[in-house]
Amino acid sequence: EVQLVQSGAEVKKPGESLRISCKGSGYSFTSYWISWVRQMPGKGLEWMGRIDPSDSYTNYSPSFQGHVTISADKSISTAYLQWSSLKASDTAMYYCARHGNEGGDFDSWGQGTLVTVSS
Amino acid sequence: SYVLTQPPSVSVAPGKTARITCGGKNIGSKSVHWYQQKAGQAPVLVIYYDSDRPSGIPERVSGSNSGNTATLTISRVEAGDEADYYCQVWDTSSVVFGGGTKLTVL
Repeated sequence: EVQLVQSGAEVKKPGESLRISCKGSGYSFTSYWISWVRQMPGKGLEWMGRIDPSDSYTNYSPSFQGHVTISADKSISTAYLQWSSLKASDTAMYYCARHGNEGGDFDSWGQGTLVTVSS
Repeated sequence: SYVLTQPPSVSVAPGKTARITCGGKNIGSKSVHWYQQKAGQAPVLVIYYDSDRPSGIPERVSGSNSGNTATLTISRVEAGDEADYYCQVWDTSSVVFGGGTKLTVL
């Protein structure tokens, strides 16, 4: 069974750093890309960027370029989403999702990680 | 940047047919994927490549795509279909989601 298991909820203060994770199992981790998707409270889905775990090539949405970093460690089948300095506006649910190469659908999603940034 | 437009809400009585549209410039030339998101849950793929159904998705869920509009059709709507639905395409190496449509079963 294909599974993407994300790390648990986080509560952080503005200015703090954070890294959340997404561990894939039940498939060849390097055969699929991983994207990260943000969902702010009561709002829709926003694509942040993606990584090809086989070579760690990344591509970011212009809206998120420079604000987050996506990385992966293929030796442990895990992708990461990282912030160096959180803002209150980063409060949201974050999902990872698996997909084939460009054009493909997101056929498996993580359960989501809720990030709350508050002073 | 490419924009996908969905109606914010669609309401339908049980047993009837719900149609959720996704508008975009020449969207018929792109592949459209659809996701269902129930309250408090992660999204689930319900239609891929315009009209294909993943295993486990009932035949009463279908999709089409032509011209400037893609459509998700749910026949014989049930209470369990109540959810938010999102269309998605790729454009210039980026992923674009529609704003989402809340399907309410009356």
